[in-house]
Amino acid sequence: EAQVTQNPRYLITVTGKKLTVTCSQNMNHEYMSWYRQDPGLGLRQIYYSMNVEVTDKGDVPEGYKVSRKEKRNFPLILESPSPNQTSLYFCASSFSGSMAEAFFGQGTRLTVV
Amino acid sequence: ELKVEQNPLFLSMQEGKNYTIYCNYSTTSDRLYWYRQDPGKSLESLFVLLSNGAVKQEGRLMASLDTKARLSTLHITAAVHDLSATYFCAVGHNNDMRFGAGTRLTVKP
Repeated sequence: EAQVTQNPRYLITVTGKKLTVTCSQNMNHEYMSWYRQDPGLGLRQIYYSMNVEVTDKGDVPEGYKVSRKEKRNFPLILESPSPNQTSLYFCASSFSGSMAEAFFGQGTRLTVV
Repeated sequence: ELKVEQNPLFLSMQEGKNYTIYCNYSTTSDRLYWYRQDPGKSLESLFVLLSNGAVKQEGRLMASLDTKARLSTLHITAAVHDLSATYFCAVGHNNDMRFGAGTRLTVKP
């Protein structure tokens, strides 16, 4: 089954404690991205990756890091989480960025206290 | 900078009624996507519109794209409760998609 898998689904952490949210896709997509969803703001892109070892900033990259060492995986790293990063995060993949529909993971609800 | 505006943001409808959600965007693009999100769930692709004048229909939903007006519409015909969800439009731009804020649709009996 074609899917994008995120883990964990829910996470509560404390300010400053490094965390990683994993994302994996089994569709051999070249393009992967991370979004955060906040009420009234829709989805805002954090980082995206056009292919292995190729990443770039989206609209709201501050406080986040990513890596793309393998085509299927695109982890999101919060080195020092802060309360304003409390949000719902989605990973997505597609054949080609804005050229094709995106497939979304189930989401990770992160709370930073 | 590309801006994507949806309206209305909230829509309460009675079953059986028709309504239209609008998606305006500020710069040239010929790729427009509609997604549906159920409460607590992920986003699911509904329509992909890739050219001016494109029209797609699935059940009670019909989406259209006018690239000259920079406008897409999602028309709901004879709404049913199962259509209650949040609907997002997204515009293809450079290497990503820019999303609207979403329209939360509630269909009441």
